[in-house]
Amino acid sequence: DAGVTQSPTHLIKTRGQHVTLRCSPISGHKSVSWYQQVLGQGPQFIFQYYEKEERGRGNFPDRFSARQFPNYSSELNVNALLLGDSALYLCASSVDISYEQYFGPGTRLTVT
Amino acid sequence: DQQVKQNSPSLSVQEGRISILNCDYTNSMFDYFLWYKKYPAEGPTFLISISSIKDKNEDGRFTVFLNKSAKHLSLHIVPSQPGDSAVYFCAASGLTGNQFYFGTGTSLTVIP
Repeated sequence: DAGVTQSPTHLIKTRGQHVTLRCSPISGHKSVSWYQQVLGQGPQFIFQYYEKEERGRGNFPDRFSARQFPNYSSELNVNALLLGDSALYLCASSVDISYEQYFGPGTRLTVT
Repeated sequence: DQQVKQNSPSLSVQEGRISILNCDYTNSMFDYFLWYKKYPAEGPTFLISISSIKDKNEDGRFTVFLNKSAKHLSLHIVPSQPGDSAVYFCAASGLTGNQFYFGTGTSLTVIP
């Protein structure tokens, strides 16, 4: 079975632009979570979605939004990009909300 | 506010010896704990988990110990192998399980 897939792998954007990151969960997994990881830190929770509904939100500004589609894939959107948004964005899927999460390889976002 | 802490940024161990990675947490509501391993340019890989109803869980060479009174968990790897060299993250979640808090990671180097 395929693992969690994310696209694109790398992305370079300019301050003020908008970005959309995509994630496909492991088949049969209904929950998708998004994390931001900056260099030297652990992943920081952004959102969790389950059955297309937001079930959790971390301490991130409203510029960050996400959604989950009927096929359980998900998008993370970031508006008005700042230099500080440069990070590795990780998507993780799980069978259910409270189960262990399996991570994708991440999308490396660079904001210049 | 870092609710999950890994106070050792790095650890070096000889091949065949035991590796012990430590993790402390501050939130007494956490009841589910996980360890992840991360190689460069990859997403974290789930290793092992433990719930608060247990104080030990084993999976092959990996054992996680939980001391709830001390709010401390540890990961033991026996015997350590060069392929174990990676960054190890511990993570914790509460009853709702909709947000995982990660530590900052410990970089393990296993010397052949």
